Amino acid sequence: AQKVTQAQTEISVVEKEDVTLDCVYETRDTTYYLFWYKQPPSGELVFLIRRNSFDEQNEISGRYSWNFQKSTSSFNFTITASQVVDSAVYFCALSETSGSARQLTFGSGTQLTVLP
Amino acid sequence: DARVTQTPRHKVTEMGQEVTMRCQPILGHNTVFWYRQTMMQGLELLAYFRNRAPLDDSGMPKDRFSAEMPDATLATLKIQPSEPRDSAVYFCASGLPLAGDGNEQFFGPGTRLTVL
Repeated sequence: AQKVTQAQTEISVVEKEDVTLDCVYETRDTTYYLFWYKQPPSGELVFLIRRNSFDEQNEISGRYSWNFQKSTSSFNFTITASQVVDSAVYFCALSETSGSARQLTFGSGTQLTVLP
Repeated sequence: DARVTQTPRHKVTEMGQEVTMRCQPILGHNTVFWYRQTMMQGLELLAYFRNRAPLDDSGMPKDRFSAEMPDATLATLKIQPSEPRDSAVYFCASGLPLAGDGNEQFFGPGTRLTVL
């Protein structure tokens, strides 16, 4: 069975600090996909990134970067020079590809608060 | 700009009443998911459909919940009778999980249900 663990329940930083959100996953599949979603106070779920299990190259998008390490089953998310607008709950999720299952298994989320 | 739509956005009802939530997936997406988000359980899958056929509804309380797709443009989630513990945000998501696809799911804005 697949499982996603986000050990950090809440993180608080001051604006302009860098912050890393941890994500550890478990799966028996060799092919799978990892995601990060952002849920701002307004409540919608905003897609941030998708990564397949064969691509361990780190990715950078503006102030966001992702570090995928298969050896440690981790897919960590770093925000550089954080801003108040980054305050949200961030979810890591996993989707396996075996069988017909395509649902996302979410971690419990990390509440990030960026203080001015 | 294709989006998943959900109605109603908010619903307050009394215990015992029937609740129907509706979702319009993105045109062309053949997979629809229903998730529920609560503080205690986080985001959990209730049911999902592919090509309008239910593939898995093991996450739903069978005695009171039912999910259907009358046609490709409409998915419904019904609760009858509703109970206070059903209070949650219900998200619908749609996707197009072709082989090799990242199984990216696009989420609707959610229906916030309060059962008094």
